[in-house]
Amino acid sequence: DGGITQSPKYLFRKEGQNVTLSCEQNLNHDAMYWYRQDPGQGLRLIYYSQIVNDFQKGDIAEGYSVSREKKESFPLTVTSAQKNPTAFYLCASSEDRSRMNTEAFFGQGTRLTVV
Amino acid sequence: SQKIEQNSEALNIQEGKTATLTCNYTNYSPAYLQWYRQDPGRGPVFLLLIRENEKEKRKERLKVTFDTTLKQSLFHITASQPADSATYLCALNRRALTFGSGTRLQVQP
Repeated sequence: DGGITQSPKYLFRKEGQNVTLSCEQNLNHDAMYWYRQDPGQGLRLIYYSQIVNDFQKGDIAEGYSVSREKKESFPLTVTSAQKNPTAFYLCASSEDRSRMNTEAFFGQGTRLTVV
Repeated sequence: SQKIEQNSEALNIQEGKTATLTCNYTNYSPAYLQWYRQDPGRGPVFLLLIRENEKEKRKERLKVTFDTTLKQSLFHITASQPADSATYLCALNRRALTFGSGTRLQVQP
């Protein structure tokens, strides 16, 4: 089955800890994205990557880091510098951002809670 | 700065009626606009894409219009069903897909 997989589905973090959210896709998509969603809110862009070994900050990148060492994988690390990390995190991919007209495919999300 | 606005209040309609959701944007001229559906606790799912030179796009019971002069898109669901109850998000491509806050639709049986 082709798709985009996020893990884990639920994640609990203690204060001051870094945690890494996994995102893998087997759609052969060039572009990958991370969004954060708070209750009753829309999606806010954290980071995006158009090609391997390259990524760009989104609107709310502070306290987060990413890597894109493989085309299929785009992990997100929530660092201790992120003061309010409790949220629903969504990873997405699309064929090629430069075409500007391709749909995004989303994973099922990771719900992160600080305990 | 660019803004994408959707009605934050939930839309409640009776089964069989047409639901109309609005997406307004400012400070941007997108080449196209997309609509997604999101169910609670799940990722959004793509529904329709409309280009700036297309006034209207249809897919089964769904219809999207795109008025670049008004900077507005309307999303219609005809003959609505309770299964259509969800949050609907519009999105524009800027650096990456940028989403509105979504409108929750509740279809009453």
